[in-house]
Amino acid sequence: KQEVTQIPAALSVPEGENLVLNCSFTDSAIYNLQWFRQDPGKGLTSLLLIQSSQREQTSGRLNASLDKSSGRSTLYIAASQPGDSATYLCAVRRNQGGKLIFGQGTELSVKP
Amino acid sequence: GAVVSQHPSWVICKSGTSVKIECRSLDFQATTMFWYRQFPKQSLMLMATSNEGSKATYEQGVEKDKFLINHASLTLSTLTVTSAHPEDSSFYICSARVSGRTYNEQFFGPGTRLTVL
Repeated sequence: KQEVTQIPAALSVPEGENLVLNCSFTDSAIYNLQWFRQDPGKGLTSLLLIQSSQREQTSGRLNASLDKSSGRSTLYIAASQPGDSATYLCAVRRNQGGKLIFGQGTELSVKP
Repeated sequence: GAVVSQHPSWVICKSGTSVKIECRSLDFQATTMFWYRQFPKQSLMLMATSNEGSKATYEQGVEKDKFLINHASLTLSTLTVTSAHPEDSSFYICSARVSGRTYNEQFFGPGTRLTVL
């Protein structure tokens, strides 16, 4: 059974810092991995999607990497801003038609 | 990205009443939609998967007679919470999968906050 873990559960950093959020999964047989952002009381916004054959994806200040063999993904946020404060969730899909399995999320707070 | 809307964004109802939540894909056709439930400070729990024109597939432990799902068209799915009770109070989020687009990426609605008094 696939399990997804995110560490840390919460993180507080000063504005301007670069930071890394971690996601690990127990079964390396995945189809793809997605990173999401969730603001309080809101739905999920898709940030990056990495296919199993890919190593990383980049969008603006965000970079997500995937090491399928070790069951790990990281989300790197460069030059953090207070507007980046939110909960970040990673999720994996086993196959093309499969469901997303979510981690518990990392609650990020960027202090001005 | 693809846009998914939900209506209403919040609802308060009395115990014993039924509540319907709508989920729409605004600029794409979604052959598959998902319904999730989220408790405070917790991750999303998948309740059911629905494919257009067929019966929904419910996750273990989710009562299909309690949570009625209808996916009548490629742009609309509804979740009806029947005979709601306070323990049904939660944040309900729908998601749609974009068939034919890159890697079956999923997009999520803004969520519906249900409070049952």
